[in-house]
Amino acid sequence: DIQMTQSPSSVSASVGDRVTITCRASQGVSSWLAWYQQKPGKAPTLLIYGASSLQGGVPSRFSGSGSGTDFILTISSLQPEDFAIYFCQQASGFPRTFGGGTKVEIK
Amino acid sequence: QVQLVQSGAEVKKPGASVQVSCKASGYTFTKYALHWVRQAPGQSLEWMGWINPGNGNTKYSQKFQGRLTITRDTSASTAYLELTGLRSEDTTVYYCARDADTGGWFGHWGQGTLVTVSS
Repeated sequence: DIQMTQSPSSVSASVGDRVTITCRASQGVSSWLAWYQQKPGKAPTLLIYGASSLQGGVPSRFSGSGSGTDFILTISSLQPEDFAIYFCQQASGFPRTFGGGTKVEIK
Repeated sequence: QVQLVQSGAEVKKPGASVQVSCKASGYTFTKYALHWVRQAPGQSLEWMGWINPGNGNTKYSQKFQGRLTITRDTSASTAYLELTGLRSEDTTVYYCARDADTGGWFGHWGQGTLVTVSS
């Protein structure tokens, strides 16, 4: 199975801050990587797919980069509605696997 | 618009079985794979398996082989998860999720179904 490792596990930030979250795959997944946002009590929602493509309706302050084994999710200017948990997921093979999550908290 | 509506919360005893349904609407049911993903409280997401509603083919995570069955009813545009031999560790929220138009990530999710296993 492909292991997905996210860091940090949590980050405290203020509105307007730039936030970066990293995701590392235990083997290359090319660009078969997605990022999700999850708010308490809700299902995850797709933010980024193909490592860097923005899902429709997602604000442009979200961006993704990377390929192979190392990936980054960037929130350029954190907004109040962005405080949530973020997960990466590889879609290169089965089983599909997710990172452990990064909680973005209010400083 | 695409909607995935899951059945309600369940409480089961250890050793019992549970079935969770996922009714799809807003698209051609047979065109997109449906997956089941679960999430224990405060934990990450765990992929369980998927079904091709078009032909009924399935693939399961090795972790759940022998305990998990995913089926579908095309006439009802509904997919089902059945998990047998329930144990306390199976107390989680179960989600169905549909492949996105753009690839093997999950573009649409059900609202989640909490299954509690308790004696």
